[in-house]
Amino acid sequence: GAVVSQHPSRVICKSGTSVKIECRSLDFQATTMFWYRQFPKKSLMLMATSNEGSKATYEQGVEKDKFLINHASLTLSTLTVTSAHPEDSSFYICSAPPTGRNNSPLHFGNGTRLTVT
Amino acid sequence: GQQLNQSPQSMFIQEGEDVSMNCTSSSIFNTWLWYKQDPGEGPVLLIALYKAGELTSNGRLTAQFGITRKDSFLNISASIPSDVGIYFCAAPNTGNQFYFGTGTSLTVIP
Repeated sequence: GAVVSQHPSRVICKSGTSVKIECRSLDFQATTMFWYRQFPKKSLMLMATSNEGSKATYEQGVEKDKFLINHASLTLSTLTVTSAHPEDSSFYICSAPPTGRNNSPLHFGNGTRLTVT
Repeated sequence: GQQLNQSPQSMFIQEGEDVSMNCTSSSIFNTWLWYKQDPGEGPVLLIALYKAGELTSNGRLTAQFGITRKDSFLNISASIPSDVGIYFCAAPNTGNQFYFGTGTSLTVIP
């Protein structure tokens, strides 16, 4: 159980375009989802916390107008990289904790490899 | 933020060898998690630890929750090529978030 699906797994886009990444909890409800960015051979860097029905909480240094987050339902959060530039190329991963249990292990999506040309 | 330091940073071992890695912190935690990340994939939970001194196994993997509650250890016995990946420890932050360790990259040479 506790499967998180992330789509697409890989995307290549041109500079200046926007890209939307979806994160779905398939068999549980997630009032909160987390979005991370990961550079090669580095740890996960939390970008923002997506909250169902309210605004996302962004970590310091993350531009909220650049990385738009929408958590429209208890099973779906989306991250839109707006006006993407080559420096936005990275591996983006979402995760979600099953609702209702403190310190419950996070379940991760399979990640999205974004390449901006 | 909180730093979880993992050691070693990387390992290159022969197939069949045992592996040991650890994760240390300056803070006390009541939960330790170990994840494995295959190349190009998201992290997958290996073992969860909830009690100081707890020793838990998952197949060839064994993890221990340190007595001081400031560290945790992961051992892999008789490594195989598919053990290749990055191993992360994690400990709770507020609001269901977790701190993640710096990672240990494992390469298994057939």
